[in-house]
Amino acid sequence: KQEVTQIPAALSVPEGENLVLNCSFTDSAIYNLQWFRQDPGKGLTSLLLIQSSQREQTSGRLNASLDKSSGRSTLYIAASQPGDSATYLCAVPIRNTDKLIFGTGTRLQVFP
Amino acid sequence: SQTIHQWPATLVQPVGSPLSLECTVEGTSNPNLYWYRQAAGRGLQLLFYSVGIGQISSEVPQNLSASRPQDRQFILSSKKLLLSDSGFYLCASLDTYEQYFGPGTRLTVT
Repeated sequence: KQEVTQIPAALSVPEGENLVLNCSFTDSAIYNLQWFRQDPGKGLTSLLLIQSSQREQTSGRLNASLDKSSGRSTLYIAASQPGDSATYLCAVPIRNTDKLIFGTGTRLQVFP
Repeated sequence: SQTIHQWPATLVQPVGSPLSLECTVEGTSNPNLYWYRQAAGRGLQLLFYSVGIGQISSEVPQNLSASRPQDRQFILSSKKLLLSDSGFYLCASLDTYEQYFGPGTRLTVT
């Protein structure tokens, strides 16, 4: 059964720091991994989708990597800003389906 | 790109009352659609999954039901709400391999 874990659960940093958020999964037979952002009381915003054939994806200050063999993904946020404050969630499909299993998220606070 | 609409945005209902939450999708046809619930302090749980009109798969036993009367319309219902049905309900749509989410409905059962 696929399980997804995110570490740390919460993170508070000063503006300008480079950050690494971690996501691990138990079943490496995935065909992609998706990172989301959730602001308080809001829906999820898709940040990055990494296909299993890719090792990383970049969007602006965000870079996500995927290592299927070790069951890990990292989301790197460069030069963090207060506007980056949110909960970040990773999700992987259940084997042979497009139904997602979500991690419990990392709550990030970036202070000025 | 897709746009997902959900309403109402917030809802307060007494125990035992009925429920109907609606989700509509723009910008795609015949999408796979999903209902998730996010309870306070907990992760997202997949409730229902649909691959087409009238095709609904329930992922967990519960007090809720779902229907898909039109290609881009997905409805979450209950005949009698329980306190445990409180939570944040999210509708999602699949575009190629990527899931997109609506703004959610906050349901409080009193």
